[in-house]
Amino acid sequence: GNSVTQMEGPVTLSEEAFLTINCTYTATGYPSLFWYVQYPGEGLQLLLKATKADDKGSNKGFEATYRKETTSFHLEKGSVQVSDSAVYFCALIYNQGGKLIFGQGTELSVKP
Amino acid sequence: EAGVAQSPRYKIIEKRQSVAFWCNPISGHATLYWYQQILGQGPKLLIQFQNNGVVDDSQLPKDRFSAERLKGVDSTLKIQPAKLEDSAVYLCASSLRQTTSYEQYFGPGTRLTVT
Repeated sequence: GNSVTQMEGPVTLSEEAFLTINCTYTATGYPSLFWYVQYPGEGLQLLLKATKADDKGSNKGFEATYRKETTSFHLEKGSVQVSDSAVYFCALIYNQGGKLIFGQGTELSVKP
Repeated sequence: EAGVAQSPRYKIIEKRQSVAFWCNPISGHATLYWYQQILGQGPKLLIQFQNNGVVDDSQLPKDRFSAERLKGVDSTLKIQPAKLEDSAVYLCASSLRQTTSYEQYFGPGTRLTVT
């Protein structure tokens, strides 16, 4: 079946450090891929998306590239801020209108 | 624009009791979702409504869980009787329509503790 696996957290970084959160998926065909973020005390919100191979999604300085050959969608940011502290979820949808399948989430803590 | 509203935010009950959660989606959003998020895991879809009809309830434990969206707007999720393993955060989300299911707007969730 379709599934998403993320690197385990928590990830603790100093401000301005480079961030990578790994995400790999298992799916038949070509799913659409997403990163959602959950800030403390708030609901999940869509951060970025990519709908086909080699697409790069980007938002708020975060980027992720849809790599079909490695079935990956790693999240990166060149310089994290304390305000980026949150839980990040990788997710996929197999077909339009289908349900979101989430990874287990990776907690990021950024220290000043 | 008001976001997805959920209540209560927290609930503590004993096993075998019943509990109900309420969700009001973003105005105009036709599709509504209920998720269960167990600590340390990602959200798992329990049920999806398109207006007042059920689209997917394949992962809803129907012997104890029920949900309704009678007028196609707000929705309630009920658990009766609760078990210890039902302790989780219950998230409600909505999207404009089913074809934009990737862009869901989530409420803050209800944290349920079953003792």
